[in-house]
Amino acid sequence: ILNVEQSPQSLHVQEGDSTNFTCSFPSSNFYALHWYRWETAKSPEALFVMTLNGDEKKKGRISATLNTKEGYSYLYIKGSQPEDSATYLCAFAGGTSYGKLTFGQGTILTVHP
Amino acid sequence: DAGVTQSPTHLIKTRGQQVTLRCSPKSGHDTVSWYQQALGQGPQFIFQYYEEEERQRGNFPDRFSGHQFPNYSSELNVNALLLGDSALYLCASSSPGQTKNEKLFFGSGTQLSVL
Repeated sequence: ILNVEQSPQSLHVQEGDSTNFTCSFPSSNFYALHWYRWETAKSPEALFVMTLNGDEKKKGRISATLNTKEGYSYLYIKGSQPEDSATYLCAFAGGTSYGKLTFGQGTILTVHP
Repeated sequence: DAGVTQSPTHLIKTRGQQVTLRCSPKSGHDTVSWYQQALGQGPQFIFQYYEEEERQRGNFPDRFSGHQFPNYSSELNVNALLLGDSALYLCASSSPGQTKNEKLFFGSGTQLSVL
């Protein structure tokens, strides 16, 4: 059974704080690591897809790093805003998979004004 | 450009019944995946359809079956419903070819309640 773990499970921060959360995944048979943002009453939305060890991606105030050798990825949000409140999901794709993604349970971020 | 659409949005069934959920992929996408999200968990992969064939399947019993039509839309069927099948069912589409490094586009989901 393939385990993808996210921590923390939930996080409360104040507007303007910077924050980060972790996704742990198997370090063997790696192909890609996805991050999605899921706002309440909306559909999950892709943030990043990363495939290379050491990869860093950035989208506005959100960035992500990838370490495939040790099996972790960090998602950073700089200067959190209330509209960043959402569940952040990571998902692992293995080398033998056609398209199956294995998701973590998510980190619920709440940004208080 | 319509995104991924799913119907119905909510559904209530009783144990033992059968249910069909529907999904239309984003325009230009030919690959459809289905995920089940139970409360407090991340989405779990049910199966993926490509070229009207089931290309990969997750760890779900045969009660879960699907179909993809020539226009790339897809159905998820669940027979002999159990209480534990109550969940949000998400459909995701992706662009042609290998999909594991292509971002998925999700629908809003169908909330299924089994009583």
